[in-house]
Amino acid sequence: EDKVVQSPLSLVVHEGDTVTLNCSYEVTNFRSLLWYKQEKKAPTFLFMLTSSGIEKKSGRLSSILDKKELSSILNITATQTGDSAIYLCAVENKAAGNKLTFGGGTRVLVKP
Amino acid sequence: EPEVTQTPSHQVTQMGQEVILRCVPISNHLYFYWYRQILGQKVEFLVSFYNNEISEKSEIFDDQFSVERPDGSNFTLKIRSTKLEDSAMYFCASSVGTGWSSNQPQHFGDGTRLSIL
Repeated sequence: EDKVVQSPLSLVVHEGDTVTLNCSYEVTNFRSLLWYKQEKKAPTFLFMLTSSGIEKKSGRLSSILDKKELSSILNITATQTGDSAIYLCAVENKAAGNKLTFGGGTRVLVKP
Repeated sequence: EPEVTQTPSHQVTQMGQEVILRCVPISNHLYFYWYRQILGQKVEFLVSFYNNEISEKSEIFDDQFSVERPDGSNFTLKIRSTKLEDSAMYFCASSVGTGWSSNQPQHFGDGTRLSIL
């Protein structure tokens, strides 16, 4: 059974701080690992990672995959209050209809 | 930017009634999915759909659930006889495809909050 574990469960930081979110996974037929941001409604796509060691960046956010350690991290630098959200990690199983298995998420609260 | 749209945003239904949740995936996408999120819990996979048939379904997706693509734009989830435990947020997602050179992410709609009384 595919499994994703995220840590920490939640964290509170102040604007300008850097946060690092962790994701570890087990999946039978790995296609990709994805990060999503969930505010009030839909998970919105952040990154899709398929290759180990290649950092993906989008503004202040970056992410990297370690296929040997079966893990990924998501970094947010110079945090802003708008970064407050739940960050979801998911793995895609290519032999199971591309289903995503999600972790429980990390709740990030950025205080002014 | 194209997006997945879902209707209604909130559905309240009596236990035992049938409910249909509707989704319009992004227009050039070929793969369609339903997920659900019970309040305070993880997002859970229900079903994936490609080329007019189910490609994978979870244990949650029992005989009470069905999916359909009735026309070229809509994708629906039907729950035949709702139970209290079906109360959740239901998300529709779509993706372009999974070809060798076109590994694209799933994009999610805003969800339908289903409340069973």
